[in-house]
Amino acid sequence: EAQVTQNPRYLITVTGKKLTVTCSQNMNHEYMSWYRQDPGLGLRQIYYSMNVEVTDKGDVPEGYKVSRKEKRNFPLILESPSPNQTSLYFCASRRTGGGVVYGYTFGSGTRLTVV
Amino acid sequence: QKEVEQNSGPLSVPEGAIASLNCTYSDRGSQSFFWYRQYSGKSPELIMFIYSNGDKEDGRFTAQLNKASQYVSLLIRDSQPSDSATYLCAVNRGGGGADGLTFGKGTHLIIQP
Repeated sequence: EAQVTQNPRYLITVTGKKLTVTCSQNMNHEYMSWYRQDPGLGLRQIYYSMNVEVTDKGDVPEGYKVSRKEKRNFPLILESPSPNQTSLYFCASRRTGGGVVYGYTFGSGTRLTVV
Repeated sequence: QKEVEQNSGPLSVPEGAIASLNCTYSDRGSQSFFWYRQYSGKSPELIMFIYSNGDKEDGRFTAQLNKASQYVSLLIRDSQPSDSATYLCAVNRGGGGADGLTFGKGTHLIIQP
């Protein structure tokens, strides 16, 4: 089944303790992206990647890091989490081809709580 | 700052009627437009995308795009209770080499049985 897989689904952590949220897609997509969703603010892009070793900032990159060492994986790293990073996080990927911008397919989400 | 605006609702529609959802966007350079459906606590699910002015139909869904007015809409015919969800309008941010989507905050749709 074609999908974007995120882990973990739920995570409670303490301020300052480094964590990584993993994301993997099995569709051979070049483009991948991370979003966070907060009540009243909607979905906002954190980082995106257009291919292996090519990443760039979205709208809210502060406090986050990403890497793209393999095409299928795009982990999100919080080096020193803070309570304002408590949110619902989504990883997404999309294909390219023929000059068409296809829509993103989203993972199931990771609900992160930082206390 | 590129923006996508939607009425937050809730929009209440009787079962079997047509639900009409609207969206405006600020970036005239936007080329690709998407509608996602999101059930509470779940991930967004792509239901329609449109690139050209005019209408695009897929089953009970019709997306409409008017680039001159910077307006996108989604019509849902024969609305069902299972259509009750939040509908997110999204615009590709491809200008300047960037990628990803700018989302509106969503319209909460309620289909009344």
